[in-house]
Amino acid sequence: NAGVTQTPKFQVLKTGQSMTLQCAQDMNHEYMSWYRQDPGMGLRLIHYSVGAGITDQGEVPNGYNVSRSTTEDFPLRLLSAAPSQTSVYFCASSYSTGGAWEQFFGPGTRLTVL
Amino acid sequence: AQKVTQAQTEISVVEKEDVTLDCVYETRDTTYYLFWYKQPPSGELVFLIRRNSFDEQNEISGRYSWNFQKSTSSFNFTITASQVVDSAVYFCALSEVTTGNQFYFGTGTSLTVIP
Repeated sequence: NAGVTQTPKFQVLKTGQSMTLQCAQDMNHEYMSWYRQDPGMGLRLIHYSVGAGITDQGEVPNGYNVSRSTTEDFPLRLLSAAPSQTSVYFCASSYSTGGAWEQFFGPGTRLTVL
Repeated sequence: AQKVTQAQTEISVVEKEDVTLDCVYETRDTTYYLFWYKQPPSGELVFLIRRNSFDEQNEISGRYSWNFQKSTSSFNFTITASQVVDSAVYFCALSEVTTGNQFYFGTGTSLTVIP
């Protein structure tokens, strides 16, 4: 099992450019989510999905779009990048046993917007 | 309101000292889960422990121990005889049953162990 994979690992964008951060998992987890990590802010939830075709907003969704066409993939799109979106992005997939959720995180994508 | 508070932003200790990382949480749920994650300098997030709200027994795993006290809404993490490899950022997180799988993370505590 590869677990949760994210590409790219590093990316530099210019303000206004668009891009997609890729996330894939091979554990057949229904639940996937995207977080951003900023200094002194911890991890904040951007968007999440409870299954293919279903997505919802988290704490900081503005400027980001997501879709979930398959169980395996959950891409995060930046339509018009802004310097405020400079951050480290983590994708996670989760499963529940008896109501207890466990999250598996990808290695992260470090994004810089100039 | 912040659901998980880690008041200690940075801690430095000398190798072999014990260190406790504090975590205070806020929830109205009776069923919830608490987590600790480690983020070493390489950047990945490493799962350390999960506790549910019905199990207040302290847990020990090697040099790591966790003290869960519902009365004070705290879930503190102690490293005994710290080592340089323990240097990392540690995050406490809360998951509530009523909010499904949304994890609420604290802002993290950066631990530096000085050789």
